[in-house]
Amino acid sequence: GIQVEQSPPDLILQEGANSTLRCNFSDSVNNLQWFHQNPWGQLINLFYIPSGTKQNGRLSATTVATERYSLLYISSSQTTDSGVYFCAVMGNNDMRFGAGTRLTVKP
Amino acid sequence: GAGVSQSPSNKVTEKGKDVELRCDPISGHTALYWYRQRLGQGLEFLIYFQGNSAPDKSGLPSDRFSAERTGESVSTLTIQRTQQEDSAVYLCASSVGHGNTIYFGEGSWLTVV
Repeated sequence: GIQVEQSPPDLILQEGANSTLRCNFSDSVNNLQWFHQNPWGQLINLFYIPSGTKQNGRLSATTVATERYSLLYISSSQTTDSGVYFCAVMGNNDMRFGAGTRLTVKP
Repeated sequence: GAGVSQSPSNKVTEKGKDVELRCDPISGHTALYWYRQRLGQGLEFLIYFQGNSAPDKSGLPSDRFSAERTGESVSTLTIQRTQQEDSAVYLCASSVGHGNTIYFGEGSWLTVV
């Protein structure tokens, strides 16, 4: 099956800093989604982004499908951005998740 | 409903007992997924339903795990003869169709003692 690798595994930022999270995948995918899991465990869909670039407020994402990677950018980070960011890709059937990047934003 | 609903939200059970976890997907969503997340770890795919097609059961970890879905509505995940290693959050998600944005429920936290 498709392998999904995320980096870095852990990231600690000072409030206001910018960051880039990366997702590499091993095969062609039909779609790619980014999720944020807050400290209470709730998973929120951030982007549906099989290719191209999207922006939503301080967050943006870019997927280069031909090179099999996606990037999530967080600008002017806030403490509420803390949590785990997951990348998920869909091959033929199911959505496969990476191991996540655990982000801690310190005030 | 407005979102994916899961029940129970928390379940403590004794080792060896059977448990049933329920998922109500968003109305009209034909695709439904079950995942398992152990503490501090990523999401492990369990099973995927798409409409009336045969489910993709490739992620079920053992024959103690099974899942059913009635048409395009409620799904139940059953774990028989629970073991302590089954302790985890069981997450359900749904999407309007194959390959679309998926939405998660809040999960069922299972503790096997």
